[in-house]
Amino acid sequence: GEDVEQSLFLSVREGDSSVINCTYTDSSSTYLYWYKQEPGAGLQLLTYIFSNMDMKQDQRLTVLLNKKDKHLSLRIADTQTGDSAIYFCAERPRGSTLGRLYFGRGTQLTVWP
Amino acid sequence: EAQVTQNPRYLITVTGKKLTVTCSQNMNHEYMSWYRQDPGLGLRQIYYSMNVEVTDKGDVPEGYKVSRKEKRNFPLILESPSPNQTSLYFCASTRSDSQIQYFGPGTRLTVT
Repeated sequence: GEDVEQSLFLSVREGDSSVINCTYTDSSSTYLYWYKQEPGAGLQLLTYIFSNMDMKQDQRLTVLLNKKDKHLSLRIADTQTGDSAIYFCAERPRGSTLGRLYFGRGTQLTVWP
Repeated sequence: EAQVTQNPRYLITVTGKKLTVTCSQNMNHEYMSWYRQDPGLGLRQIYYSMNVEVTDKGDVPEGYKVSRKEKRNFPLILESPSPNQTSLYFCASTRSDSQIQYFGPGTRLTVT
């Protein structure tokens, strides 16, 4: 299967920027995703980027894609305590069906007041 | 309200006692999936379905069965549960022309 890697933990102070990193193995992946899981809840899609894009911005979220290095990052500006959650990176390889995603292990983001 | 529902939300059972976790979506989505989430391992896909009567294995299908007789339902069946299937299970669905995968609230299963 595909291998999506993330660091497991990140701590930041409220108001700072958070950057969560992810590396993936399939250079032909078509879509890459960021999901958020709050305690005791299911996953919620935060944003996604198509492989022909380098950057996508949505309010406080900025996604950067470096296809050469197979590196994806999620930057959260002005991080709030409500952003504390587990963040999952996922990829959809080229040729795979829409329902076939590969997830990383998740990064636990802790925001300190 | 558009949603994915799972039942039960919590289940404690014993080794070998067959069980079914139901998943239902009211959005007429073609794609449905089952995942398990374990500490340190993230989400791993068990099975997925592209439409009625079309299913395929994910990364960890051993010990599980699925069926897709109706578009809205995608039950997960454990014929003979074992303790290593103790996990948090998520069902998800997606429309064929969208990248957004909607997740259910999860089912926490404990097999003793």
